[in-house]
Amino acid sequence: GQQVMQIPQYQHVQEGEDFTTYCNSSTTLSNIQWYKQRPGGHPVFLIQLVKSGEVKKQKRLTFQFGEAKKNSSLHITATQTTDVGTYFCAGRNLDGNNRKLIWGLGTSLAVNP
Amino acid sequence: DAGVTQSPTHLIKTRGQQVTLRCSPKSGHDTVSWYQQALGQGPQFIFQYYEEEERQRGNFPDRFSGHQFPNYSSELNVNALLLGDSALYLCASSLDRGVEQFFGPGTRLTVL
Repeated sequence: GQQVMQIPQYQHVQEGEDFTTYCNSSTTLSNIQWYKQRPGGHPVFLIQLVKSGEVKKQKRLTFQFGEAKKNSSLHITATQTTDVGTYFCAGRNLDGNNRKLIWGLGTSLAVNP
Repeated sequence: DAGVTQSPTHLIKTRGQQVTLRCSPKSGHDTVSWYQQALGQGPQFIFQYYEEEERQRGNFPDRFSGHQFPNYSSELNVNALLLGDSALYLCASSLDRGVEQFFGPGTRLTVL
């Protein structure tokens, strides 16, 4: 079945360093979403990417969707302690009626002040 | 405007018992999805409800069932609980064909 893999599983950085998490799907995706989950919290929607090669920015966060629509990345510039949490990607396959999101295992980010 | 609410917050059950979890969607949302999140894992899609019908289902056994009411609130029922059902159960609401899902705080289920 369809799988979504994320690397790395964990990342520990000093405040001010950059951070990147990568997401790879075993199948071509219709779209991909990114979520952030703080420790003890629930997932919060960050963004959806739909177009091949799409790049979107939200302040210090940059999201990319690969040309083949099978991979994606989230890059955080100059991390802050408020960036701590687990970042998940979640993809939908190409079936137009598919509403099911397949989630990666997430990348847990720790930031040393 | 309240966001997505879930009840109860925590629940402890024993193997073989049955449990019902409840979810009220964000105001104006008509679609509810349920997820299971085991510790250290990503959420796993259980099913989605729209117009009081199960519209899509993930790879979960029939022990997992649900319901959506005319006011769009929803219930998740799990029968014959197993130890492996211990997890955080998340409800997410959205508009039909909407992009963004809003998650509730979840119900932490422990099966002993």
